[in-house]
Formats: sequence, structure tokens, C-alpha cells
Amino acid sequence: SQWGEENLQALSIQEGEDVTMNCSYKTYTTVVHWYRQDSGRGPALIILIRSNEREKRSGRLRATLDTSSQSSSLSITAAQCEDTAVYFCATDEKGRALIFGTGTTVSVSP
Amino acid sequence: DAGVTQTPRHEVAEKGQTIILKCEPVSGHNDLFWYRQTKIQGLELLSYFRSKSLMEDGGAFKDRFKAEMLNSSFSTLKIQPTEPKDSAVYLCASSPGAYAEQFFGPGTRLTVL
Repeated sequence: SQWGEENLQALSIQEGEDVTMNCSYKTYTTVVHWYRQDSGRGPALIILIRSNEREKRSGRLRATLDTSSQSSSLSITAAQCEDTAVYFCATDEKGRALIFGTGTTVSVSP
Repeated sequence: DAGVTQTPRHEVAEKGQTIILKCEPVSGHNDLFWYRQTKIQGLELLSYFRSKSLMEDGGAFKDRFKAEMLNSSFSTLKIQPTEPKDSAVYLCASSPGAYAEQFFGPGTRLTVL
């Protein structure tokens, strides 16, 4: 399996709170992808962080990558109800298809 | 630009039937992927094509699952014969190439009775 310790399966928070989810991986990766999947839709990329980057931001999203510990995290600042979704991380081993983690379900309530 | 399209969106099959799912990738993308998604197993790779050549074939799915890329703008996934355990959402994705974003279609929800 690509993934070591699995992501938290589910997180429930209130609007305005911050939330962080983590992924670990076992083999070298050039990039870590973070995808979001809304109910009834396919996953969509929200952040892509490369192995030479330690941190990447996009609006209220922040991804980190620690290649020495082979782990990545995704944080959402001041979560809103529309952030409710399943979040996946995926690694990109050269020449192969993405390997997806099991996903973390984030539920944000008013 | 059109995204990835998948048809049908829903499919109900009897055990033992043959079903064919269709996918049209984003125009110009070289890579195409088929995944199966279930709550328990998550996203499992079924097939990966690069420039219409099969690059990876999910080992556990070889016997009854066959994906083909008839041309660069159309792919099919055949399941023959279907079994109730095949009930899942089947996702197609395309990508410009290695290390790039994958664009997913909306998926086909398959129910096998």
C-alpha cells in the first residue's frame, strides 16, 4: 500500500473553525495532489504541491509537504459550510497512475 | 472547453449481464484513467492509458474488466459478466501528462442486482 498511517476518516467541525488533515506515503513522489469530491461528482484538484515546495497556499487552503517524513497535510482556515466534502491526497510516482488515499470526510455545520 | 463526459450516469444490470461504460476525455489530453470508487475501498485504479497505449492494468480487475481506447477521444469500460459486488461508481479521468492534474468525469453509478 502506498499509504502508511491512514488519514482520519471523518472530521466534524463548526463554521469558522480551522481543520487539518494528514497523509503519509511510503514511496518517493514528485508531487502530492489534493482533491476535493462533492457528493455526486468526481474529484477535483484543489492544490498540487511539488517535492521542492514545503508549503503551498490557495485562498483559505494550505498544503504542506515534508519529504523527509513522507507526509503531507491540508489545512482549511475558517471553514465554511461549502467546504463540506471528501478530501483525498494522491501521490504521483513517475510513469504511473496516481495513488489515492482513502479520503477524509469533512462536515462543516453552521 | 468541455470537461470529461461519462455515459450513462446511472446503470442497473442483472447479474451476468455485460455492460459498457463510455468516457470522452478532455480534448488534447494524453492520459486516461478508469477508477472504481466504493466507500470501503476508496478509489481503485482499473486501467491507465497513455497516448492510447495501456500502461497499467489493475491486477485484481483483469478477469472481467476490459478498458479500451478506440481513439484519443473515446474510451470504453466493459464489465463481463457483471456481479453484485461490481456495484460502485466508475470514474473516468484524463490528464495532459505525468505529474499534472487529473480531470474527472461525474462518474457512472452501477447497480448490479
